[in-house]
Amino acid sequence: GNSVTQMEGPVTLSEEAFLTINCTYTATGYPSLFWYVQYPGEGLQLLLKATKADDKGSNKGFEATYRKETTSFHLEKGSVQVSDSAVYFCALRWNSGNTPLVFGKGTRLSVIA
Amino acid sequence: KAGVTQTPRYLIKTRGQQVTLSCSPISGHRSVSWYQQTPGQGLQFLFEYFSETQRNKGNFPGRFSGRQFSNSRSEMNVSTLELGDSALYLCASTIFGGGDTGELFFGEGSRLTVL
Repeated sequence: GNSVTQMEGPVTLSEEAFLTINCTYTATGYPSLFWYVQYPGEGLQLLLKATKADDKGSNKGFEATYRKETTSFHLEKGSVQVSDSAVYFCALRWNSGNTPLVFGKGTRLSVIA
Repeated sequence: KAGVTQTPRYLIKTRGQQVTLSCSPISGHRSVSWYQQTPGQGLQFLFEYFSETQRNKGNFPGRFSGRQFSNSRSEMNVSTLELGDSALYLCASTIFGGGDTGELFFGEGSRLTVL
């Protein structure tokens, strides 16, 4: 079946460090891919998305590129801030039909000053 | 525009009891999905409702049920609670569901503790 695998956390970085959170997926065909973020005490919110191969999603300094050849959608940010501390979820969804989002287990990021 | 509203935010129940959680989607959104979030399993899909009909269902036992009303508000019910049902239950809404952009708008969740 369809699944999403994320690197396990927690990830602890110093402010201004480079961030990579790995995400790979297993699916037949070409799903849409998403990164959601959950700040402490809040629900999830969409961070960025890509709907086809080689698309790059970007938002708030975060980027992720849809790599069909490696079935990956790694999240990157060049310089993290304390305010980026949150749990990050990679997710996929089929482009056709009424199918639910399938989430990875989440990666907790802590950024220290 | 108001966001997704979930009530209650926190509740404590004992084993064997039942619980009902409520979700009011963003105005104009017709699809409501429910997810269970636990530290060990992450986010697991429970079910999705669209125009008062269950359109998708995850792999949960029949103790978990839901419904959607004509105003798109949704409720989920868990009967005969077990310790393992302790979790954050998240509701999310979107305009149409599967055919749209795929972006879900989440509420802050209802945290259920079963003792």
